Amino acid sequence: EDQVTQSPEALRLQEGESSSLNCSYTVSGLRGLFWYRQDPGKGPEFLFTLYSAGEEKEKERLKATLTKKESFLHITAPKPEDSATYLCAVQASGGGADGLTFGKGTHLIIQP
Amino acid sequence: ETGVTQSPTHLIKTRGQQVTLRCSSQSGHNTVSWYQQALGQGPQFIFQYYREEENGRGNFPPRFSGLQFPNYSSELNVNALELDDSALYLCASSVNRAVNEKLFFGSGTQLSVL
Repeated sequence: EDQVTQSPEALRLQEGESSSLNCSYTVSGLRGLFWYRQDPGKGPEFLFTLYSAGEEKEKERLKATLTKKESFLHITAPKPEDSATYLCAVQASGGGADGLTFGKGTHLIIQP
Repeated sequence: ETGVTQSPTHLIKTRGQQVTLRCSSQSGHNTVSWYQQALGQGPQFIFQYYREEENGRGNFPPRFSGLQFPNYSSELNVNALELDDSALYLCASSVNRAVNEKLFFGSGTQLSVL
């Protein structure tokens, strides 16, 4: 069974204080690892897809990296508008459902 | 370009009742997926529809069913509602089912079962 574990569950940072969110996963065969951002009362918003170990992607203050067992979302000099819940998800290759398996998310609060 | 829209935004039902939730996919998207998100949890995959046929299903009982229409809009039906069905139901569309690279989610329907 595919599993995704995110840590920490919640993180409070000061504006400008860089940090990393962790996503550990077990999957029979990885088709892709995804990061989404979810604001209160909204659906998740796509951030990144990573396909193979060693891959990195960046968008503004966010950088996602991937190893064979985990992914990190690095946040550099965050601003209050980066406050949200960050969700990690995996999609397995091979048969079965094509859906994503999500973690519970990391609730990030950036204080001014 | 319109995004994914869901209706209603909130719904209150009684245990044992039936409910239908609706979703309009983003223009040009032929694949729609439905997810259930309980409070404090990540979304859980219910099923996916591609060109009006179900082509993938998560660990949900048969009382969860769906439809996709020729215009790629979609419905999620839940029969015999249970208290544990209370959750945010999210619809997501994508360009095609071969690559679930980028799912576009709606804002969801918040279902409360009393």
